This record gives sequence, structure tokens and C-alpha cells, in this order.
Amino acid sequence: DTGVSQDPRHKITKRGQNVTFRCDPISEHNRLYWYRQTLGQGPEFLTYFQNEAQLEKSRLLSDRFSAERPKGSFSTLEIQRTEQGDSAMYLCASSKLFSGTSGAYEQYFGPGTRLTVT
Amino acid sequence: GEDVEQSLFLSVREGDSSVINCTYTDSSSTYLYWYKQEPGAGLQLLTYIFSNMDMKQDQRLTVLLNKKDKHLSLRIADTQTGDSAIYFCADLYSSASKIIFGSGTRLSIRP
Repeated sequence: DTGVSQDPRHKITKRGQNVTFRCDPISEHNRLYWYRQTLGQGPEFLTYFQNEAQLEKSRLLSDRFSAERPKGSFSTLEIQRTEQGDSAMYLCASSKLFSGTSGAYEQYFGPGTRLTVT
Repeated sequence: GEDVEQSLFLSVREGDSSVINCTYTDSSSTYLYWYKQEPGAGLQLLTYIFSNMDMKQDQRLTVLLNKKDKHLSLRIADTQTGDSAIYFCADLYSSASKIIFGSGTRLSIRP
């Protein structure tokens, strides 16, 4: 099994620009999650998908953020009009939901995309 | 609301046991986790415990859960330099399937 992969690993952008990150989950994992981690903090949940359906969005996810998982495989996270406060590590995780369970309990994380907004 | 708290730093001597503690507020927790993060690396799932268990042991790792006090601990036996990392306690907030993380405990090993 290859792990969760994310691209790019690092992104430096100027304030006001749009950026897009990609996440490829572990194959056959039907749940995909996005988290954000700032320095000295634990990851904070942003949103998650079950297959192609986006089931929950955190209030941290402002209107400038949009996530998609069009075919239920890879996902993209786009940030429009970036602000300096968006600088963080963006983490993707995936898990496999087994039928009959209330939630997928093993989430495996990718290496993250570090965003720096100048 | 959901919250997970843990102390920020722990320093232990190489070869000793490390014990990292955590408290959580979610009374409906089903799974609790320990993740490890090394500098520049992603989060590695170390172990997890289901809420109907009191203890789980996996090689050098022992997880203890006191559900009444909402207290979770991770014991690392025979701590090695390779154990230096940030350890995150986390709680599966089951109604939403999201994981709530603590701020992490930085474990440093002294010779």
C-alpha cells in the first residue's frame, strides 16, 4: 500500500493569489479529510468527503476555501485571494469506512503541503 | 464542546519510561489516538484505543484510558533517541467523524 500523497509539498505565494493543493488518498479509502496545522498547534479539521460527497465543513473553512473530490478518488483544496493568516501546513488524511460502523477510525495522514503567504 | 488538552513538554533520560498525559471533554468518545510527528514529517498513527477498553499494549507502547476522568496516557518503555518527536493525543468526535487533536507534547531525550 502506498500512503497518502500530497502535492506540492511546499508552496510560496503572494497575498491575493489563488493556490490549489492536491491529495491522493490510499487506494480504496472512501473517506478523505483535510486539516490545517499552524505552528505549535495540533491539526484542526477543515472538511471531509465520503466518496465524492462533502459531508461536513468546519467554520474555519471560509468562503475563500473550496474543496472537491469529483470522482471519489483524489481531492483538491483551493484557497482564493490568499491572506497571510492562511500560512500553515495543510494535511490530508484518508480512511476506509466499513459498513455497519459509525465512522472510520483509522485516519492515515499525508506529509502535508506547507503554504507560505508573503 | 470538544477539547483535548496535554502538557507541552516532557524531558526524559534515555532508557527511562516516558509517560505523556492527556485529558479530553467529549463524553461520547469512541476512539482515542496517539499520533507521532517528527520534524518535517507527517503524522504517524502510533496506536489507538476503543472507549470500552482500559488498556492497550503494543510492544514498547502502553495506552491507559480512564473514561470516568476522561484521562488518556501513553507510556513509552525504554525511551530511545528516535522517540524524540511531538506526540498528539486525539479524540474521534464520532458524530462528525473528525478527529480533535491536542496541541501536542514535545518529548526530548537526554543522554
